Order: sequence, then structure tokens, then C-alpha cells
Amino acid sequence: AQKITQTQPGMFVQEKEAVTLDCTYDTSDQSYGLFWYKQPSSGEMIFLIYQGSYDEQNATEGRYSLNFQKARKSANLVISASQLGDSAMYFCAMRGRGSQGNLIFGKGTKLSVKP
Amino acid sequence: DVKVTQSSRYLVKRTGEKVFLECVQDMDHENMFWYRQDPGLGLRLIYFSYDVKMKEKGDIPEGYSVSREKKERFSLILESASTNQTSMYLCASSPLGAVGEKLFFGSGTQLSVL
Repeated sequence: AQKITQTQPGMFVQEKEAVTLDCTYDTSDQSYGLFWYKQPSSGEMIFLIYQGSYDEQNATEGRYSLNFQKARKSANLVISASQLGDSAMYFCAMRGRGSQGNLIFGKGTKLSVKP
Repeated sequence: DVKVTQSSRYLVKRTGEKVFLECVQDMDHENMFWYRQDPGLGLRLIYFSYDVKMKEKGDIPEGYSVSREKKERFSLILESASTNQTSMYLCASSPLGAVGEKLFFGSGTQLSVL
């Protein structure tokens, strides 16, 4: 069975500093995809970044990067130069080839950025 | 801009009522999903559909049913609402295909069952 684990229910970071949100996963699939979504207090789910299991380079999207360590089955999100608007819930998710299209989500990490 | 629209942002219902949550997408996506979000539990899949009139149970289908009569519309039905179904409900869609296809989400429906 596939599983996503986010061990940090809540985190604080000072504005302009970098922060790492942890995510580990478990799957028996060889081909899978890892996603990060942001959910501000408004409730919308915003796609941030994607990493494929066969991608050799870590994914980056602006201030977001994904620290992908395949052997350790971890896919940590790194946010550089935190901004007040980064305060939100962050969800790690995965899809495996056998999962029929749906994403399996972790329980989320609530990030609070302090001025 | 692509869009997944959920009919209500907030909904208050009574125990025992039949409740319909509607979701429409304008992206011609094959896959549509209903998730439930509760604090500390993340998002859990209730049902999904990969084609018109097709449906598959997710992890927590008990107490729910779904309907997909048209490709763009996916409805979640609470046959007899109970207080433990008070939650945020998120609809999503995606194309059929590779593992890298992301989900597009609606803005959610916060349902309160009294």
C-alpha cells in the first residue's frame, strides 16, 4: 500500500529565511510521482511542484525546490526566502502507476511565517 | 483559465437530510475526484470517476454515493447526513494518463451537519 508521512504538524520560520518541510513516502511502484500543494486559509489547493521518480534532477519552481532522495524515500519541500504569504498548510502527495489516477495525501504541515 | 467549480462554499444541513454537492470542470478531464479534508487527517479519497457513469470507491465511501451523468459534472451525495460528515469537501479533476498529471481542485465546500 502507498503511504505519505508528514511528521511536522506545525512549523514556524522567520521571514526571509529558508524552511524545509519533510515528506517521506512508501510505495512498491517503480514509476511514481510526488507533488506538493499549498492550501492558504482561503481553502483553495494550489499546486506547487512535481517530481517524477525517474527524474535525475531535483525539481525547482521559483522559490520552491524539492529535495528528492530516492533511496531514503523522501521528498522534502524547500522554500527559500520565506514570505508572509507563504503561511499556509502544505500537503505532500503521491501517485503511483497502479493508483488509477488519484493522489494519496499526507496529513499536512501548517507553516507560519513570522515578520 | 482552467476551472473546477463547486456549487457552494458553505452549506448547513440537518441530520437525516439528503445532501448534494455539485462539481463542474471545464477542462474536458476524464478523471474526477471527491476528497474529504479534516484537521489532522489530511485529504482522504471518498470516490472517484474515470469516465461518464463510471465510479470507484476510495478509502472512505461509507455514507456517500456519487453520480457522473456528464463528463464535466461529478456529484457527491450524502444519502442521510450525519454530524460526523461535517467536514470540508474538495472536488478535483485531472486528465487520464501519466503519473505526472496534477490534480486541479475546486475551492471546497465546508459542510456543517447539525
